[in-house]
Amino acid sequence: EAQLVESGGALVQPGGSLRLSCAASGFTFTTSAMSWIRQAPGGALEWVSSLSGSGATVFYSDSVKGRFTISRDNSINTLFLQMESLRVEDTARYFCANSPSGHFDSSGYNYYFHYYMDVWGRGTTVTVS
Amino acid sequence: DTVLTQSPGTLSLSPGERATLLCRASQSVSNNFVAWYQQKPGQAPSLLIYDASRRAAGIPNRFSASGSGTDFSLTISGLQPEDFAVYYCQQYGSSPYTFGQGTKVEIK
Repeated sequence: EAQLVESGGALVQPGGSLRLSCAASGFTFTTSAMSWIRQAPGGALEWVSSLSGSGATVFYSDSVKGRFTISRDNSINTLFLQMESLRVEDTARYFCANSPSGHFDSSGYNYYFHYYMDVWGRGTTVTVS
Repeated sequence: DTVLTQSPGTLSLSPGERATLLCRASQSVSNNFVAWYQQKPGQAPSLLIYDASRRAAGIPNRFSASGSGTDFSLTISGLQPEDFAVYYCQQYGSSPYTFGQGTKVEIK
């Protein structure tokens, strides 16, 4: 059974840094794109960042671009989110999720992941105050 | 960026009734790459639908979805007690991969 477990959430002061981790098991990590999604208290889901299976292709929301860095270590089946220059508005529960599906383009050489969120972790809480 | 607007914000229905949730995109979603998620209080979201109309593994067939371009919908035929939750749509046709603001389905 696919499982994702986030860790690293904490209380941090504005301007501080934090590194979140997401340990994956039960599926082929190297062929899954991965994402971070956050949810402020009482709020809606907000997509934060995604990266491809190899880690070569990354995407960020405008709200975190330049401050957050997504990465992965496929040797230990773990996804990371390095967060710098944290703001009060970054306070949220952070979820990781996998995206195992995709397609090849017409050339048959380029693979494009479908960044919907299949399996979710339970999340880890980041409080900036 | 593609903004997703879900309606209504809250849907008050009785068990057994049919729920129809709407998701409108500010621009056409590439390849109709829309997903729907269910979130219960205190839990992580769970995937219901992907590619606008494909049910995820293990999702009961009372959940169905359709749509194309900018207009998408999720229908729950015959609400069960466990279906009362918040539902989100998401587009993954182009980055940023935005979510809607959610529709709460509550017991009337």
